[in-house]
Amino acid sequence: GAVVSQHPSWVICKSGTSVKIECRSLDFQATTMFWYRQFPKQSLMLMATSNEGSKATYEQGVEKDKFLINHASLTLSTLTVTSAHPEDSSFYICRLEGSGTGELFFGEGSRLTVL
Amino acid sequence: SQQGEEDPQALSIQEGENATMNCSYKTSINNLQWYRQNSGRGLVHLILIRSNEREKHSGRLRVTLDTSKKSSSLLITASRAADTASYFCATAPYNTDKLIFGTGTRLQVFP
Repeated sequence: GAVVSQHPSWVICKSGTSVKIECRSLDFQATTMFWYRQFPKQSLMLMATSNEGSKATYEQGVEKDKFLINHASLTLSTLTVTSAHPEDSSFYICRLEGSGTGELFFGEGSRLTVL
Repeated sequence: SQQGEEDPQALSIQEGENATMNCSYKTSINNLQWYRQNSGRGLVHLILIRSNEREKHSGRLRVTLDTSKKSSSLLITASRAADTASYFCATAPYNTDKLIFGTGTRLQVFP
């Protein structure tokens, strides 16, 4: 069965609104979660590393005020795209790492379309 | 950019032929992984090869790793139309918990 639940799987919103994407670990406690963005026909780019109970670490070029990450519990990390614009339209994928196991699990992804 | 490079960017073959994709990376790694992604979908983990391994097999997949050249290859033998997808290598750089993806190869297998 699924180990990671990512929701919503797709969302369409108007420019200027904020969108929250959830990544939930179903079977284990995930101390670290990673968020990736994938533009059409391109590869996955790491956006940020989310650690439970502490601030996320963002990759160079990723605006922390635009992409708010909250990892409030060991089973849930959220990515909020604030004041979304059409250029934020992308496929967002979370990745979890099992605590102590090193196993990697990916969410199914969330496709964001900003009109 | 940290991102690895893959070639070819796109590959079209007939069913039954073999498909070879190459990946080059920049830093020392703990392991290298290959993933498959159908259009607009999530990732499917195919195979992981550790830095101290040189070759690994899984069904019709064969992966090689040359750490001296910082390169890896994925061979899909006897390809099928259902193998049509994008394939990505991903490296786990040494001493980090990050996973850095390559640029990807889009494989089209014609029946």
